[in-house]
Amino acid sequence: EADIYQTPRYLVIGTGKKITLECSQTMGHDKMYWYQQDPGMELHLIHYSYGVNSTEKGDLSSESTVSRIRTEHFPLTLESARPSHTSQYLCASSLPGNTEAFFGQGTRLTVV
Amino acid sequence: GIQVEQSPPDLILQEGANSTLRCNFSDSVNNLQWFHQNPWGQLINLFYIPSGTKQNGRLSATTVATERYSLLYISSSQTTDSGVYFCAAGGATNKLIFGTGTLLAVQP
Repeated sequence: EADIYQTPRYLVIGTGKKITLECSQTMGHDKMYWYQQDPGMELHLIHYSYGVNSTEKGDLSSESTVSRIRTEHFPLTLESARPSHTSQYLCASSLPGNTEAFFGQGTRLTVV
Repeated sequence: GIQVEQSPPDLILQEGANSTLRCNFSDSVNNLQWFHQNPWGQLINLFYIPSGTKQNGRLSATTVATERYSLLYISSSQTTDSGVYFCAAGGATNKLIFGTGTLLAVQP
């Protein structure tokens, strides 16, 4: 059973606002990921981290930023939200190497 | 990087039918996972299967790493099996790359 949590589950926010999507895991996993998924589409990797103070950009360019100050916490921030950021954001974690990844429930973001 | 392709893109079944979903990947992989995405958007882990065969109830999966494909079998399908099935592969870069998914609809 995976213990990875995302908050909020749903967020509707106005253009120009700063937002932070939270992701926490209690499994002690070193690797964490953020994926972006538009409705009916595949998941695209936007950020990942191999451990504390390690962050890398994924395959899909994103205006969001991430930080990894603690092993269990991997927040994603948008400094100025735009309607084009409307999407679902999914966080995942895994042990080092190519091991099984577990996903949180996702955050559905709508920017109006 | 690794390219992941899934087929078919859509599948409609009558309840009780069997189905096979396919995942092809372009390079050697050290990780291959199958997920079911429920209507609320959550990804449910089905199998972690970089090679070999596994079974879990009515579902089973086989990965033939040397031929770069994986198959997900669903037997005696139920309406609750409906949703999107994704495979995801990880290789030398340790990044998990997703396929485009198969949308399965099981009709009563």
